[in-house]
Amino acid sequence: DTAVSQTPKYLVTQMGNDKSIKCEQNLGHDTMYWYKQDSKKFLKIMFSYNNKELIINETVPNRFSPKSPDKAHLNLHINSLELGDSAVYFCASSQVATGELFFGEGSRLTVL
Amino acid sequence: AQSVTQPDIHITVSEGASLELRCNYSYGATPYLFWYVQSPGQGLQLLLKYFSGDTLVQGIKGFEAEFKRSQSSFNLRKPSVHWSDAAEYFCAVGAASGTYKYIFGTGTRLKVLA
Repeated sequence: DTAVSQTPKYLVTQMGNDKSIKCEQNLGHDTMYWYKQDSKKFLKIMFSYNNKELIINETVPNRFSPKSPDKAHLNLHINSLELGDSAVYFCASSQVATGELFFGEGSRLTVL
Repeated sequence: AQSVTQPDIHITVSEGASLELRCNYSYGATPYLFWYVQSPGQGLQLLLKYFSGDTLVQGIKGFEAEFKRSQSSFNLRKPSVHWSDAAEYFCAVGAASGTYKYIFGTGTRLKVLA
């Protein structure tokens, strides 16, 4: 049973389109994250939610909008996709007290 | 400024040889320190973590890491590398209490020669 699951695993789309990535964790964690990994493998935090409350928003363009309907789910919606949005997006979760991040397998977004 | 530096972008070792991957950090508060491994096309898996106590920590797959506060380092080691260890390795740092933000290094790609 997958602990942190993301869908879809692959996304190929045209510039200007809107797309969403969904994430669910069944670990009972209180904090969830979106990370972006670029082509050089650099991992950068985008957003963090704690109990459905936005805690971190790291200077991400407004075209990116996270939504956390409950503490087990964190979705990422991206409007007006640009070439530079091509990356692998990782969802992760943690229990703040223990500090360890658990990652999903990533969603590879390719913008043509 | 908070940062994590992994000086080696690529490392190549022969199977059976020992391995050390370097990690240096800059962090104002007492840090939590982590090493993660990413196999091709996969997410990141935790190898080991340091929160407090014994500065030599053991992890999965035979890895260990040593926290040296005076050097702001948290180097990862393995006495004998296996071909299946070929992957990308990331060092990360977070705050020691109530952390929401983890900073990752740029990664070290390990290649293992048969």
